Amino acid sequence: AQSVTQLGSHVSVSEGALVLLRCNYSSSVPPYLFWYVQYPNQGLQLLLKYTSAATLVKGINGFEAEFKKSETSFHLTKPSAHMSDAAEYFCAVISYIFNKFFFGSGTKLNVKP
Amino acid sequence: EAQVTQNPRYLITVTGKKLTVTCSQNMNHEYMSWYRQDPGLGLRQIYYSMNVEVTDKGDVPEGYKVSRKEKRNFPLILESPSPNQTSLYFCASSLSQGDTEAFFGQGTRLTVV
Repeated sequence: AQSVTQLGSHVSVSEGALVLLRCNYSSSVPPYLFWYVQYPNQGLQLLLKYTSAATLVKGINGFEAEFKKSETSFHLTKPSAHMSDAAEYFCAVISYIFNKFFFGSGTKLNVKP
Repeated sequence: EAQVTQNPRYLITVTGKKLTVTCSQNMNHEYMSWYRQDPGLGLRQIYYSMNVEVTDKGDVPEGYKVSRKEKRNFPLILESPSPNQTSLYFCASSLSQGDTEAFFGQGTRLTVV
């Protein structure tokens, strides 16, 4: 069985501050993990993905995530928040068999001036 | 441009009036799926299709139908919509089963009154 848990439905940071969005996964097989971003009134856009290569994954817009097997975590970080980062972020794990994504419940990021 | 196109983007309808949400992809992808997004629940899979004429239920299929008569199109049908189907719907496609890259449409916001 596969699932993801995102801690914190809302996160608020100041512009220029560190962004940390938390995701923990559960998977009976080595997982593929993803972060997607959803801007208001938009579809989902892939930020980055982990597919068992390097544990530190760099994505678009300065985001990165580190796969930590011992902690079953895949937290998303960005050193310095920008106003344009305000969006909802979804962590997801994929089932190999059915190409089915299991999404977390999402974290809304608010960036204060 | 590679994309997944959903129509309509917004729809308000009345209980019991049949409706269809269309989804089309121009990437020759085999695998397509439908998700609904509800606050606090993330995205949940409704139906998926591994290829033409091959469809199967996801996690929340009740009240929905799909068809896959040609590779590029995967319409979602609500035969008798009810208010609990008010939601944001996303169509997604990927090259094949097990492929890690999924492309999402822009979403269809459905309100059933």
